[in-house]
Amino acid sequence: RKEVEQDPGPFNVPEGATVAFNCTYSNSASQSFFWYRQDCRKEPKLLMSVYSSGNEDGRFTAQLNRASQYISLLIRDSKLSDSATYLCVDGGSQGNLIFGKGTKLSVKP
Amino acid sequence: GAVVSQHPSWVICKSGTSVKIECRSLDFQATTMFWYRQFPKQSLMLMATSNEGSKATYEQGVEKDKFLINHASLTLSTLTVTSAHPEDSSFYICSARAPQRGPYEQYFGPGTRLTVT
Repeated sequence: RKEVEQDPGPFNVPEGATVAFNCTYSNSASQSFFWYRQDCRKEPKLLMSVYSSGNEDGRFTAQLNRASQYISLLIRDSKLSDSATYLCVDGGSQGNLIFGKGTKLSVKP
Repeated sequence: GAVVSQHPSWVICKSGTSVKIECRSLDFQATTMFWYRQFPKQSLMLMATSNEGSKATYEQGVEKDKFLINHASLTLSTLTVTSAHPEDSSFYICSARAPQRGPYEQYFGPGTRLTVT
């Protein structure tokens, strides 16, 4: 069974903090990975795609370690609006997404 | 680009009735759409992959006769929950790939919250 494992949290951090989430995946053949954010009772929204060793977009950096089969997401200078659940997603070898249960982040003023 | 809509956003129905949920890609054509279900505090679980003009591919454990999927055009897929029961109450979300935005990324509709009484 192909799985994605994440620490459910919650991560409670102050504004301005740097926070990192890790995620492990079981399918060594997977080629693509994603981080989605999901707000309460809303749909997931794509945050970042990771196809090679990593990706960076502003305050967000994702890194992929194929040897250890884990992906990380680093958020710098946290904002209140970053509070959400972050979903680690394995794109699989055939393109069907496999979701982790998510890591809840709460940024406090 | 890559906007996906869903209708209705929420629905309450009585046990034994059927409910149809529509998923539309608004600014792109989607040959493949996906239907997910999410129970509270659980991850999204893929129910089926919907391919335009052909039969849907269902995940193991998902009853194809209960969850009818039709993908009649490149912008519309429908999920019909037949003879709904309270245990079918969940958050149903569709997604689609937008080829212009990447080969594997999926873009999600806003979801439909189904409550069966």
